[in-house]
Amino acid sequence: SAVISQKPSRDICQRGTSLTIQCQVDSQVTMMFWYRQQPGQSLTLIATANQGSEATYESGFVIDKFPISRPNLTFSTLTVSNMSPEDSSIYLCSVPIYRGSGANVLTFGAGSRLTVL
Amino acid sequence: GENVEQHPSTLSVQEGDSAVIKCTYSDSASNYFPWYKQELGKRPQLIIDIRSNVGEKKDQRIAVTLNKTAKHFSLHITETQPEDSAVYFCAARGYQKVTFGTGTKLQVIP
Repeated sequence: SAVISQKPSRDICQRGTSLTIQCQVDSQVTMMFWYRQQPGQSLTLIATANQGSEATYESGFVIDKFPISRPNLTFSTLTVSNMSPEDSSIYLCSVPIYRGSGANVLTFGAGSRLTVL
Repeated sequence: GENVEQHPSTLSVQEGDSAVIKCTYSDSASNYFPWYKQELGKRPQLIIDIRSNVGEKKDQRIAVTLNKTAKHFSLHITETQPEDSAVYFCAARGYQKVTFGTGTKLQVIP
């Protein structure tokens, strides 16, 4: 199965700064997804990173706050801009991996735990 | 968009007993229903999934049932063990996008 590498694994950031999270997959994938998991909460989709076009954002998430790049079929970045303590979360990259049974299984990177002071 | 509700939010069972987690979804176009287990500090991992053309699926001690008419699906864990303690998320996938339930924290008491 595919290996998804995500970095940084964790970081402590100052209010007002921005941080870029990288996601690298060891095989080409059409779609990459970015999720947020706030402390003790579920997983919320931020956006779908599309190669060659702008990302598709979910309701409540905007490009100015969470710019995304997808330069090729194996790599994506998510930037959390102008951070505030409310942005303290785990951010997870995920990709659908085809399984022999016919289903594309959503598979997650290890996540990036951000703490904003 | 899709809305997935999950109950209960917490569940404590004695080791060896069964645990049941229930979910409902809103979008009749959803056709794939995975379940994820997330241990503390780790990424969510798929444990079982079911497609909309199947009513039940079993894998050793875990099983999932789906009622498309009622838009309900459930996870059943039998003979629970302490290592089953984790947060479990149900999810529903429509067109490419996966929506997660709110999660159930399962505690198995030895």
